[in-house]
Amino acid sequence: DAGVIQSPRHEVTEMGQEVTLRCKPISGHNSLFWYRQTMMRGLELLIYFNNNVPIDDSGMPEDRFSAKMPNASFSTLKIQPSEPRDSAVYFCASSLQGALGYTFGSGTRLTVV
Amino acid sequence: AQSVAQPEDQVNVAEGNPLTVKCTYSVSGNPYLFWYVQYPNRGLQFLLKYITGDNLVKGSYGFEAEFNKSQTSFHLKKPSALVSDSALYFCAVRDDAGNMLTFGGGTRLMVKP
Repeated sequence: DAGVIQSPRHEVTEMGQEVTLRCKPISGHNSLFWYRQTMMRGLELLIYFNNNVPIDDSGMPEDRFSAKMPNASFSTLKIQPSEPRDSAVYFCASSLQGALGYTFGSGTRLTVV
Repeated sequence: AQSVAQPEDQVNVAEGNPLTVKCTYSVSGNPYLFWYVQYPNRGLQFLLKYITGDNLVKGSYGFEAEFNKSQTSFHLKKPSALVSDSALYFCAVRDDAGNMLTFGGGTRLMVKP
């Protein structure tokens, strides 16, 4: 099992550009979570999908952020337009609903200049 | 609502000494408790969990944690710290009815030679 796969590992972009982060959850897992980690705010839950349906997006900071899960094996987190304050490490995690813990990806380090 | 508190931003320990990283929680039902570790430039990795049974749970890398229901605590411990244990540690909780983990703010463990 390759685990949760995120791409890219690093992204540097200019302010105003669109950024798309990608996640492939573990096969068979039906819950997917997007987190953002910064020094100032720690680990924040952005959005949570169950069976490809967004369940809780209350953590999405602004309308500039959007997330989709078109199928059970792929999710995207998009920021448009990006701003320097969006610089952070973005993690994707997956789990089997009712199971006990999450498996995290290695993260995408986003730098917006 | 469920919550987790990690009262120490950082814990400093000398190599070979015992270590404790503190965690207290609040949850409405029976708690499921977790510890995760994050090494630099990596995602969160599962260390151990408490679901039911023995209050002392053993996990990876020689770590253990003690569930204390009366004090609503789940402190992480290790009898003899290694420099390689230096990392960021997260405590998390969910109740037995839900799917969402709530994470604490993290505690940075520094083990000095």
